[in-house]
Amino acid sequence: QKEVEQNSGPLSVPEGAIASLNCTYSDRGSQSFFWYRQYSGKSPELIMSIYSNGDKEDGRFTAQLNKASQYVSLLIRDSQPSDSATYLCAVSHRRSNDYKLSFGAGTTVTVRA
Amino acid sequence: EPEVTQTPSHQVTQMGQEVILRCVPISNHLYFYWYRQILGQKVEFLVSFYNNEISEKSEIFDDQFSVERPDGSNFTLKIRSTKLEDSAMYFCASTPRDSPTDTQYFGPGTRLTVL
Repeated sequence: QKEVEQNSGPLSVPEGAIASLNCTYSDRGSQSFFWYRQYSGKSPELIMSIYSNGDKEDGRFTAQLNKASQYVSLLIRDSQPSDSATYLCAVSHRRSNDYKLSFGAGTTVTVRA
Repeated sequence: EPEVTQTPSHQVTQMGQEVILRCVPISNHLYFYWYRQILGQKVEFLVSFYNNEISEKSEIFDDQFSVERPDGSNFTLKIRSTKLEDSAMYFCASTPRDSPTDTQYFGPGTRLTVL
């Protein structure tokens, strides 16, 4: 079983629409959850972090976490062409003082102008 | 805003050669990581480093790999005898100690090409 799974995509949405990205994880002991954006050939760039159940909003981005269902999602509202990228879900497994991240394979989003 | 930096941006080497990838983490950070991403695949954890020793390493991080923090700023990843399958993007990341967010900040990466 993969540690972190994401809907594979690609996901194509029109400009101004909502893009919805999903992620599930297998380790119930996971404590921290992150969404990174990665443009082609570039490094992951943090978009959102979430640690407790519920919603967290930051501008056009909303992350949702449900630990009982081992599910985390990201909504991108009013999608812009610049949002076209691969979105990586990452989960932190804390072991002693270690915050190793496990990444999903990513969902590629294309925003059509 | 402080950033993680990595050099070189691109390294081309012959199979069997040694390479050293360099990283300068953010100055007040104390946890350091190396990840790699083979083209078209997911980002994979290699090793974490804290207090001048390895905290955890993955199965990928075999005897051909080593890490070092030779001074107060640099954090290096050495591959002793490169293989074709080592071709990938290598990312360094760092985290502040006792950060409530434990967010990892990634450098721009080094693209390693093994011929």
